[in-house]
Amino acid sequence: QKEVEQNSGPLSVPEGAIASLNCTYSDRGSQSFFWYRQYSGKSPELIMFIYSNGDKEDGRFTAQLNKASQYVSLLIRDSQPSDSATYLCAGLGGKLIFGQGTELSVKP
Amino acid sequence: DGGITQSPKYLFRKEGQNVTLSCEQNLNHDAMYWYRQDPGQGLRLIYYSQIVNDFQKGDIAEGYSVSREKKESFPLTVTSAQKNPTAFYLCASSIGFRDRDYNEQFFGPGTRLTVL
Repeated sequence: QKEVEQNSGPLSVPEGAIASLNCTYSDRGSQSFFWYRQYSGKSPELIMFIYSNGDKEDGRFTAQLNKASQYVSLLIRDSQPSDSATYLCAGLGGKLIFGQGTELSVKP
Repeated sequence: DGGITQSPKYLFRKEGQNVTLSCEQNLNHDAMYWYRQDPGQGLRLIYYSQIVNDFQKGDIAEGYSVSREKKESFPLTVTSAQKNPTAFYLCASSIGFRDRDYNEQFFGPGTRLTVL
């Protein structure tokens, strides 16, 4: 069974801090990874995807991929209260396999 | 506006009833998906379709059925055989299916189904 595991959370950080969200995956055949943000009661929206080892930056967001360790992370710099949401990690190995999500709370 | 629409937003079902959830997209995407989300959990794949008139079971297809007669539409029927259907149902689409560059999935707003 191919699995994607995330920190269960909730993760609480103060405004302006760096939030670090982590994800591990079991399928070595997974080629790409996606981070979705989901506000309560809403549908997920894509914020980052990564398929090469290393870092990928987009504004305040940095995705990191380490295929040898089967590890993906998302860093959110200068966290804002509006970043409070559940973050879903998903790996693509044929189908998208989603983790259970990590709830992030950014306190003013 | 391009996007994915789902209806209804809220749906209540009596035990023993079949209900159909609508999903329409005008993004000209080939692939469409249905997911189920339970509280505090991630998304689980019910069915997916790579092309018109073709669909495959996902991880939790039992008690559900789909059709893909048109590229734009991928309705999901929750049958009476689904014993615990109360959940948030999400429809998604992507340009293609397997290729990483075309697998960004766009989600509709969801339908919240409750069994009375």
